[in-house]
Amino acid sequence: GQNIDQPTEMTATEGAIVQINCTYQTSGFNGLFWYQQHAGEAPTFLSYNVLDGLEEKGRFSSFLSRSKGYSYLLLKELQMKDSASYLCAVRDSNYQLIWGAGTKLIIKP
Amino acid sequence: SAVISQKPSRDICQRGTSLTIQCQVDSQVTMMFWYRQQPGQSLTLIATANQGSEATYESGFVIDKFPISRPNLTFSTLTVSNMSPEDSSIYLCSASGTSGSDEQYFGPGTRLTVT
Repeated sequence: GQNIDQPTEMTATEGAIVQINCTYQTSGFNGLFWYQQHAGEAPTFLSYNVLDGLEEKGRFSSFLSRSKGYSYLLLKELQMKDSASYLCAVRDSNYQLIWGAGTKLIIKP
Repeated sequence: SAVISQKPSRDICQRGTSLTIQCQVDSQVTMMFWYRQQPGQSLTLIATANQGSEATYESGFVIDKFPISRPNLTFSTLTVSNMSPEDSSIYLCSASGTSGSDEQYFGPGTRLTVT
């Protein structure tokens, strides 16, 4: 079956750095997405990786290793507004997005 | 990019009744999807809405319970039929292109409570 694993919850301090890991086993691979979802709101797109390596976008970076079935989202200089759930999703061979359960990130002052 | 609107934004319904949720995209998109999300849970795909033909349903979801229409490239409806309290959830409309790198855009969601 298809499976995406993420930690359920993480806590970090304002101004610090946090890394959210995602491992996946899917039928085929056509890219990996990270989304941010604030409570009560719709998910919003953060990043897309299809090749191995690091993609940097401001305070957020996303890394992919296809051979290991592994990705992480790195958030730097954490702000209180970064408190949200972070969803990892993989596009499979049918171009369907397979979603992880999400990681709830709690930022403390 | 695409901006997606949904209505209603929320509703409280009695068991046994049906509710139709509307989704409008501001640009022509190829793919439209309907998701369900329980509080604190991740997204569960209900079906892919196909223009001019029957929707493609995921395991555990059937057309009689969740009829879907998509009369054109920018509009779709999801009906939750014969509702029970277990149907209480947030229902999200989503749209994307067909390229592997195309992100999925989401509507603001419809919060449904069945009493």
